[in-house]
Amino acid sequence: QLQLQESGPGLVQPSETLSLTCTVSGGSISRNDYCWGWIRQPPGKGLEWIGNINYSGSTNYNPSLKSRVTISVDTSKNQFSLKLSSVTAADTAVYYCTRRRVNWPTDSWGQGTLVTVSS
Amino acid sequence: DIQMTQSPSSLSASVGDRVTITCRASHGINIYLAWFQQKPGKAPKSLIYAASSLQSGVPSKFSGSGSGTDFTLTISSLQPEDFATYYCQQYQSYPLTFGQGTRLEIK
Repeated sequence: QLQLQESGPGLVQPSETLSLTCTVSGGSISRNDYCWGWIRQPPGKGLEWIGNINYSGSTNYNPSLKSRVTISVDTSKNQFSLKLSSVTAADTAVYYCTRRRVNWPTDSWGQGTLVTVSS
Repeated sequence: DIQMTQSPSSLSASVGDRVTITCRASHGINIYLAWFQQKPGKAPKSLIYAASSLQSGVPSKFSGSGSGTDFTLTISSLQPEDFATYYCQQYQSYPLTFGQGTRLEIK
């Protein structure tokens, strides 16, 4: 059974870079029919798609975040990562790592991790 | 970007009721529409994909319909565990976008 687990700091200073890793277990991240991505949810608010990456490293990002986002994949560790630079309080959210089959919606979610941007 | 608009934003209903939530896309998305259920403090759970196909393990009390720009999620015979927030998502084109959510509360 596929499991996704987010890890990373729960507190980030304003203007710094938010870095999260998602470890995939129960399935290979190298499958060419899946994309691996990130979705976030500010406290009490709705869901925002951040972006995704496929096994070969091809990425798609939300234009609203594109200038600050990098998603990468490490097939040797069965992990993928999110970096969001120049963060502000508006980036405070629960960050979910996700999986979706190419041309299909998200079908698997991590449990989510709260990242707070504050000094 | 394709904007997704859900209505209503919140809904009060009783156990045993049948409810319908609507999702409208700003551009046609064929049937590339999914529905998710989210309970407080939990990750969303996939209910429906391709507008009307149930994910494995999802009870048949949930049903979806629509194509193009107008879609609905219907939940029949509400039970206490169905009270949650529901989101639609289009996956026809990037960026993937969600509706703002519909909070279903017990009356």
